[in-house]
Amino acid sequence: EVQLVQSGAEVKKPGESLKISCKGSGYSFTSYWIGWVRQMPGKGLEWMGIIYPGDSDTRYSPSFQGQVTISADKSISTAYLQWSSLKASDTAMYYCARMEGYYYYMDVWGKGTTVTVSS
Amino acid sequence: EIVLTQSPGTLSLSPGERATLSCRASQSVSSSYLAWYQQKPGQAPRLLIYGASSRATGIPDRFSGSGSGTDFTLTISRLEPEDFAVYYCQQYGSSPPGLTFGGGTKVEIK
Repeated sequence: EVQLVQSGAEVKKPGESLKISCKGSGYSFTSYWIGWVRQMPGKGLEWMGIIYPGDSDTRYSPSFQGQVTISADKSISTAYLQWSSLKASDTAMYYCARMEGYYYYMDVWGKGTTVTVSS
Repeated sequence: EIVLTQSPGTLSLSPGERATLSCRASQSVSSSYLAWYQQKPGQAPRLLIYGASSRATGIPDRFSGSGSGTDFTLTISRLEPEDFAVYYCQQYGSSPPGLTFGGGTKVEIK
């Protein structure tokens, strides 16, 4: 079964760092893009960026460039989303999703990681 | 950057009725790169349609997508109780490379 398993919920304070993960299984991890999508409470979906684990080619949404870092470790089929200094406005659900590289749609989604940033 | 505008924001319909959801792009989008997703409360989004009109695996044929250029439509021919959800369109653009989601349409029970 193709699946993406995301790391568990996080509660952090402003200014702290954080790295959440997304582990793929059941398919060739290096042959598909992995995308990250933010959903703030009660709001819509926002594309943050994508990474191709095969060669680590990474592209960011202009809205998130410089705010987060996307990386991947293909040896363990895992992608990451990282913050160096969290803000309260980073409170959201974060989804990873497998992205097909011809039509560029997201066909397999993780269940999401809730990040809460509060003092 | 391409902006996707979905309308209406909310659609109030009864089971059995037909739902027509619109997704309008600020500039022309390749049909190959237009997708639709369904999201239910507390769940991750689910891919419905890709390439503007191709149904994803396991998606019932009451869901159909159409359109080209700047205007795309998702149609649900006869609403089932499980279809009441929020629907998003998404496009991929190559210049600059990246994705955009529309703001979503909520289909609610009337």
